[in-house]
Amino acid sequence: EAGVTQFPSHSVIEKGQTVTLRCDPISGHDNLYWYRRVMGKEIKFLLHFVKESKQDESGMPNNRFLAERTGGTYSTLKVQPAELEDSGVYFCASSQGSGDNQPQHFGDGTRLSIL
Amino acid sequence: GESVGLHLPTLSVQEGDNSIINCAYSNSASDYFIWYKQESGKGPQFIIDIRSNMDKRQGQRVTVLLNKTVKHLSLQIAATQPGDSAVYFCAENKWGAQKLVFGQGTRLTINP
Repeated sequence: EAGVTQFPSHSVIEKGQTVTLRCDPISGHDNLYWYRRVMGKEIKFLLHFVKESKQDESGMPNNRFLAERTGGTYSTLKVQPAELEDSGVYFCASSQGSGDNQPQHFGDGTRLSIL
Repeated sequence: GESVGLHLPTLSVQEGDNSIINCAYSNSASDYFIWYKQESGKGPQFIIDIRSNMDKRQGQRVTVLLNKTVKHLSLQIAATQPGDSAVYFCAENKWGAQKLVFGQGTRLTINP
């Protein structure tokens, strides 16, 4: 079974540019999550999709971040325009079903560097 | 060797020894806890989880202990191997709120 895959693995852009990160969850997983780790800080939650619907976006830092999951399969996270403080590693995770908590399985992340 | 959770981010043990990594959590409403292992350049890898209706759960060479009275979680790794070297994170959430809250992480180094 393929795990969570993220693309690209690294991205280096200049301040003010736009970047789009992609996440393909484990097949059949309805729940998809975005997290990020900025330098020196712990991993923090950004948002949670159940299928194509945003269940919880309380962790999104501001309106420069836009997440989508059209069709309830893969998800994209767009940062526009990128700022220096957006640098960090962005992780995607997925989990099965609803109801009782299920373990979240993570991808290897996208390392984003804003110059 | 033993660490004191979030305030001691590094732990070194001899290969073959047992290691204990500790984690303190703050939300008394948390009822689900997970340990993750993260190797360099990789994402967090699920190790073991435990729900609040349990105080101990065992896996292959790993045991998680939960003490709800003092809000403390620990991960015991038996007979450590070089491949156990990584950063270990505890994470928690509350049923119905799917987002995980991560600890700072502890770097475990296995000495030959």
